[in-house]
Amino acid sequence: AQRVTQPEKLLSVFKGAPVELKCNYSYSGSPELFWYVQYSRQRLQLLLRHISRESIKGFTADLNKGETSFHLKKPFAQEEDSAMYYCALSPSGAGSYQLTFGKGTKLSVIP
Amino acid sequence: EAGVTQFPSHSVIEKGQTVTLRCDPISGHDNLYWYRRVMGKEIKFLLHFVKESKQDESGMPNNRFLAERTGGTYSTLKVQPAELEDSGVYFCASSQFQGSSGNTIYFGEGSWLTVV
Repeated sequence: AQRVTQPEKLLSVFKGAPVELKCNYSYSGSPELFWYVQYSRQRLQLLLRHISRESIKGFTADLNKGETSFHLKKPFAQEEDSAMYYCALSPSGAGSYQLTFGKGTKLSVIP
Repeated sequence: EAGVTQFPSHSVIEKGQTVTLRCDPISGHDNLYWYRRVMGKEIKFLLHFVKESKQDESGMPNNRFLAERTGGTYSTLKVQPAELEDSGVYFCASSQFQGSSGNTIYFGEGSWLTVV
């Protein structure tokens, strides 16, 4: 069975400090990995996906198949980054777009 | 462009009652999904519609839950009879295509259900 683990429920950092939100997964096949973000009073939205290999709002995430990790990083945290972050996995390819989520990490950026 | 809309945003019902949640996907999105997060747990997949057909309902917890999408437009999720453990947030989402490759899934704001 597939599983996504986010070990930190809450992460507090000071503005300007580096951020790393951890995500580990278990899946027997070749997954697609995502980070979703939910800002206060807003809907859950896609932040980035590993296949795009892009940087969104200064965030990057690299899929490490050896360590089965997909940690989210940003070199300098901003106050507007405070939100709930969810790591998610989906089987790659066509078919049901069934996301498996981690429990989420609440990021709090202290001014 | 309107996003995925859900109704009601909040609902408080007594154990044993019935609640119906509604979801309007983004116009033109054939794929509609229901997810839920109960207290302290992960957001979990419930089911996936392609137009009016159930593509995957492997996440439906039991037969007290009934999802429909007549006409392939909006969807309803009925819980009957509701139990205390059904309390949580029910998310609806939609996407233009099936599968995850090159596809983006858009979520609604969620319907908060409290069963007392």
